[in-house]
Amino acid sequence: DVKVTQSSRYLVKRTGEKVFLECVQDMDHENMFWYRQDPGLGLRLIYFSYDVKMKEKGDIPEGYSVSREKKERFSLILESASTNQTSMYLCASKTGANTEAFFGQGTRLTVV
Amino acid sequence: AQSVTQPDIHITVSEGASLELRCNYSYGATPYLFWYVQSPGQGLQLLLKYFSGDTLVQGIKGFEAEFKRSQSSFNLRKPSVHWSDAAEYFCAVGELYGNKLVFGAGTILRVKS
Repeated sequence: DVKVTQSSRYLVKRTGEKVFLECVQDMDHENMFWYRQDPGLGLRLIYFSYDVKMKEKGDIPEGYSVSREKKERFSLILESASTNQTSMYLCASKTGANTEAFFGQGTRLTVV
Repeated sequence: AQSVTQPDIHITVSEGASLELRCNYSYGATPYLFWYVQSPGQGLQLLLKYFSGDTLVQGIKGFEAEFKRSQSSFNLRKPSVHWSDAAEYFCAVGELYGNKLVFGAGTILRVKS
């Protein structure tokens, strides 16, 4: 089975802190994604990566950056956390076009 | 750009009753369609997918979905709902010429006993 693992289930950070969310997949997938999930808004794409060191902005990239130094790992970085970034963050991976995505269990981030 | 609409934010059904969750998409070609389920505090799990062929697709946990091109719909159904089906359900479409999935806003299913 494909496994996508997010490093933390719950995080509490202070405003202004630099925050790292880590995601690892074990199926050699080329594509990895970071989504943000808020009630009533569904999943909104923050960034995705289609290869090592390659990235593309999604729909809501402001305030975020990403890093993909190895194929299996995709990190989301909040450069200076703000309270409006309190949310559920979901990582996903998939192979090529028109295949399903596999999701991690999510990280619930609270910024105080 | 593709979009997915799930018209119902919340649905409540009685245990044992049938269920239909609606999904409409906008797309310029044959779509690749998915239904995912999210239990509270968890990630998303794939229920079923449609790529081509038979328009009635069977999935896990007794769910099925029917693709109707004329209505741009991909509704999810289950003949008899169990209390454990209470969750949030997301419909998604695969991006044309790309690798991304576009998700609907989700439908929260409540099951009453």
